[in-house]
Amino acid sequence: GAGVSQSPSNKVTEKGKDVELRCDPISGHTALYWYRQSLGQGLEFLIYFQGNSAPDKSGLPSDRFSAERTGGSVSTLTIQRTQQEDSAVYLCASSHDSYGYTFGSGTRLTVV
Amino acid sequence: GIQVEQSPPDLILQEGANSTLRCNFSDSVNNLQWFHQNPWGQLINLFYIPSGTKQNGRLSATTVATERYSLLYISSSQTTDSGVYFCAVSLYNQGGKLIFGQGTELSVKP
Repeated sequence: GAGVSQSPSNKVTEKGKDVELRCDPISGHTALYWYRQSLGQGLEFLIYFQGNSAPDKSGLPSDRFSAERTGGSVSTLTIQRTQQEDSAVYLCASSHDSYGYTFGSGTRLTVV
Repeated sequence: GIQVEQSPPDLILQEGANSTLRCNFSDSVNNLQWFHQNPWGQLINLFYIPSGTKQNGRLSATTVATERYSLLYISSSQTTDSGVYFCAVSLYNQGGKLIFGQGTELSVKP
């Protein structure tokens, strides 16, 4: 596609439920990144994919967070048993050879 | 880990004024990018600039890698320049993972 597409754009969920966030990167971009931005804060790295493999998962805050990427394209970030502190904007970016990230518009997650 | 510090944290300008935003980083990097996050939250890549100088319209950036800093210049500012400017760096052998500074929040008044 022309840009990085994320869905849903907004998600309100009850504490304890599982959520799935989707990222569709720019076609041909081999690298895909997930970041989290809490209100008024900078961006916190979560996980990085090169193709379908995830060589760097160091930013995932707990074992409730997981992500996968299939076909070298779409990625899904799953948060199990959501907590209120998980509320944030989840941003996905893709790039070709690490030059010039392109970000999606993000998914605003609210846990009530 | 690497530290990325941006200054100033906040900046208020009158339309038409010029400004300089600074990014200091604590280690050698192979990638440095500047981003603008508009008031609606969209992040736009402004520059990929691990070293040297680049210009794009009213914006320009300079990175002095040996002294571990980068500068973003905004000339003749416009209200549409408002938002948060982030500097982000990555280390060698880190697969392009970017570490972001805390940002400079710019407000341009008409």
